[in-house]
Amino acid sequence: QITLTQQAESLWISPGERVSITCRASQSLLYTDGKHYLSWYQQRPGQTTKALIYHASVRTDGVPTRFIGSGSGTEFTLSIEHVQPEDFAIYYCLQTLKSPLTFGSGTKLEIK
Amino acid sequence: EVQILETGGGLVKPGGSLRLSCATSGFNFNDYFMNWVRQAPGKGLEWVAQIRNKNYNYATYYAESLEGRVTISRDDSKSSVYLQVSSLRAEDTAIYYCTRWPLFGGDYFDYWGQGVMVTVSS
Repeated sequence: QITLTQQAESLWISPGERVSITCRASQSLLYTDGKHYLSWYQQRPGQTTKALIYHASVRTDGVPTRFIGSGSGTEFTLSIEHVQPEDFAIYYCLQTLKSPLTFGSGTKLEIK
Repeated sequence: EVQILETGGGLVKPGGSLRLSCATSGFNFNDYFMNWVRQAPGKGLEWVAQIRNKNYNYATYYAESLEGRVTISRDDSKSSVYLQVSSLRAEDTAIYYCTRWPLFGGDYFDYWGQGVMVTVSS
């Protein structure tokens, strides 16, 4: 199965700063259609889990433009510019290239 | 508005079985693939199972760690999906989420339910 590694368990930042969360896959997530099957999710207490990015860089409807997905092959990044108070949450990456679908272990964004 | 509501959780003894239900509304359920994802207390997310739609012959896929103990099914007439879990173990204790796979535009989980708690304990 494909393993996704989110090295940072926690990241401490101040509101207004920029942060990058990385996700490394054990094999390329590029499919023959030219798309990468990597998505990002946000989990906040008391809220339903929210999809932020799919195909590595496409924002889902309504997601603020400060959330930026990038990367290719096996290395992917979720960047958040000018972090807002509501962005302090846990972020997960997910690969949907091959079954079994697998998640990264999650990165918690914490207030410095 | 898309709505997803999981029910059927609770306290179950080791070795027991449980059937979780996921009722949906606000979209044409027949067209969509549906999934279950779980999260043990204080842990990360784990995909459990997927069921495709009629066009794909209701094909099912399972996480290797659970294969043989779980069955995903759906009832298009009720816009609902189900997860039957048997031979429950303490490590199956988790919140179980029902998620939707979008029809077009990408393979990911576009909507999630609030989840239902399953506790396996004697």
